Amino acid sequence: GNSVTQMEGPVTLSEEAFLTINCTYTATGYPSLFWYVQYPGEGLQLLLKATKADDKGSNKGFEATYRKETTSFHLEKGSVQVSDSAVYFCALSDMGSSNTGKLIFGQGTTLQVKP
Amino acid sequence: NAGVMQNPRHLVRRRGQEARLRCSPMKGHSHVYWYRQLPEEGLKFMVYLQKENIIDESGMPKERFSAEFPKEGPSILRIQQVVRGDSAAYFCASSPAGAANQPQHFGDGTRLSIL
Repeated sequence: GNSVTQMEGPVTLSEEAFLTINCTYTATGYPSLFWYVQYPGEGLQLLLKATKADDKGSNKGFEATYRKETTSFHLEKGSVQVSDSAVYFCALSDMGSSNTGKLIFGQGTTLQVKP
Repeated sequence: NAGVMQNPRHLVRRRGQEARLRCSPMKGHSHVYWYRQLPEEGLKFMVYLQKENIIDESGMPKERFSAEFPKEGPSILRIQQVVRGDSAAYFCASSPAGAANQPQHFGDGTRLSIL
């Protein structure tokens, strides 16, 4: 079945460091891929998305490229801030026979940025 | 323009009681998804509904759990005879169309605690 695997956390970085959070997926067909961010006590917010191979999603300095050949969608940011501290979830839309758009999530990666 | 509204934010129940969780989708959205987040885990899909119809309930436990999305009013996730293992955060998401490339907008969740 379809699945998403993220690197385990927590990831601890100093402010202005470079961030990479790895995400790989297993899926049939051509799913859309998403990164969501969750701040403490809140719901998930869409960070970026890509709907086809080689698409690059970007938002607020974060980027991720849909790599079909490596089935990956790694999240990157060139210079993190303390305010980026949160849990990051990689997800794909299930392209089963019903194509309902339900999401399959990775287990989440906690990012802690220290001043 | 209000986002997805869930209530209550926190719900405490004793074993054997019923829990009712409500979700009002974003204005103009007629597709609702429910997800469950167990402690230290990612979100798991439970059910997908359109107005008055359950489209996909493949992630919902066969017993004690039910969901509805009536013509008027919010979507309801109902858990009968709750047990300790039902303790989790329950998130609702909505989208304008149940398609794989449509991002879902999440509410802040209901945190259910079973005593």
